[in-house]
Formats: sequence, C-alpha cells, structure tokens
Amino acid sequence: RKEVEQDPGPFNVPEGATVAFNCTYSNSASQSFFWYRQDCRKEPKLLMSVYSSGNEDGRFTAQLNRASQYISLLIRDSKLSDSATYLCVVGLNTGGFKTIFGAGTRLFVKA
Amino acid sequence: IAGITQAPTSQILAAGRRMTLRCTQDMRHNAMYWYRQDLGLGLRLIHYSNTAGTTGKGEVPDGYSVSRANTDDFPLTLASAVPSQTSVYFCASSSGLAGSNEQFFGPGTRLTVL
Repeated sequence: RKEVEQDPGPFNVPEGATVAFNCTYSNSASQSFFWYRQDCRKEPKLLMSVYSSGNEDGRFTAQLNRASQYISLLIRDSKLSDSATYLCVVGLNTGGFKTIFGAGTRLFVKA
Repeated sequence: IAGITQAPTSQILAAGRRMTLRCTQDMRHNAMYWYRQDLGLGLRLIHYSNTAGTTGKGEVPDGYSVSRANTDDFPLTLASAVPSQTSVYFCASSSGLAGSNEQFFGPGTRLTVL
C-alpha cells in the first residue's frame, strides 16, 4: 500500500462544475498536510495547507480527518485555468524527516 | 529576487559519468530538499537538509550525495550515473524544520542518462 494515495484521475469536468479530490495516508504520525498544484512540465506550487479545522481559500476548500487519515480538496465553480495536476502531500518526523507526495490527480476543465 | 534556481535546465549524460546538479536559494530558508519526479510515481525525496552543515536521507538516496556548506546552496551529486537516474530533479526549500511549512520549488533539471 502506498503511503499517500490519491484518486487516479484524470477528472474531466465542464467549466463551472464542482470537483472533489480525495487522498488517504497510512502513517498516523503524519504531522503536516498540504495540497500542491503542478502545471505541465513546471514545478509544484503550494495551493493550500490543510488543517484539522478545515480551511477555505476562495473557491478551494480543504478538509482533514485525522481519525480516518483522509484529506480532501473541493474546487467550486471550476475555471479553465484550474486544469493541472493536484498533489496531496504529507509531512512527518519520526526520528527522521519524510515528505511524501501522492502521485497526483490530473484535472481537465473544458469549456 | 530569484527565489530558488537550479542548473543546468537539462542535461544528457553518458552512463558512468559524474554529475552535479546545482541549487541555490536566496530566501534564507533553513531547510532544503532534493526530489526526483518520474511518471506515475510522483515526487520522491532523495535527500534533505534541516540547516547548513546537516543532511539526511530521504526515500531514494542510493546513488546520490549532497552537501550543505552554507545556507544558500545544496548541490546534488551523482557519482556514477546510471540510466535509471533519468528523471526530472526538483530542488526545494522551506523555512523552519523540514516538512513543517510550505516548500518552494526550483524550475527543475531534466536529466537523461544514456
């Protein structure tokens, strides 16, 4: 089992749609959680950090469920510019640091 | 302000050759990281450094070495390249302890080992 698993995708949605990405992690000692966005052949960039209380940034909402070891990202009112790969990232330090990236979920938003 | 830079942008290398990928940041971040990204596998951590003078192994350290002589630079060396090291390499940095905060990535180095 991979340490961080994401929906395989790709997701193909029309403009204006709401799309949800899911991510699960296996290590209960995980301490930090993030969603990154990566455009084709570019470097990853932080989309948002994920907190236990949940957080929202405009059209994007992230949720963390520590009991279920589950992270989600909701994108409302999808735009063409949202087309990218979304990476779920987990950080933990158990005597040695690890940052684990999910393989990513590709999103295509179409007009 | 450049942020984080990597060099070279791309490189084709013969197997068995030595290669150093360069990474420099001007944000005075404590932590720096090297990842490789392969299709279908996502980014995998090679080595990291919490602060100048210290380094640690990531998920896939074999065949790679790093040094952190100062805050700004974190070179990655392939002592004897092999074709399985063909990949896109990303350097990143962050403030605070490794893994705790947002990581800023360089533009990447595309390496092909023949």
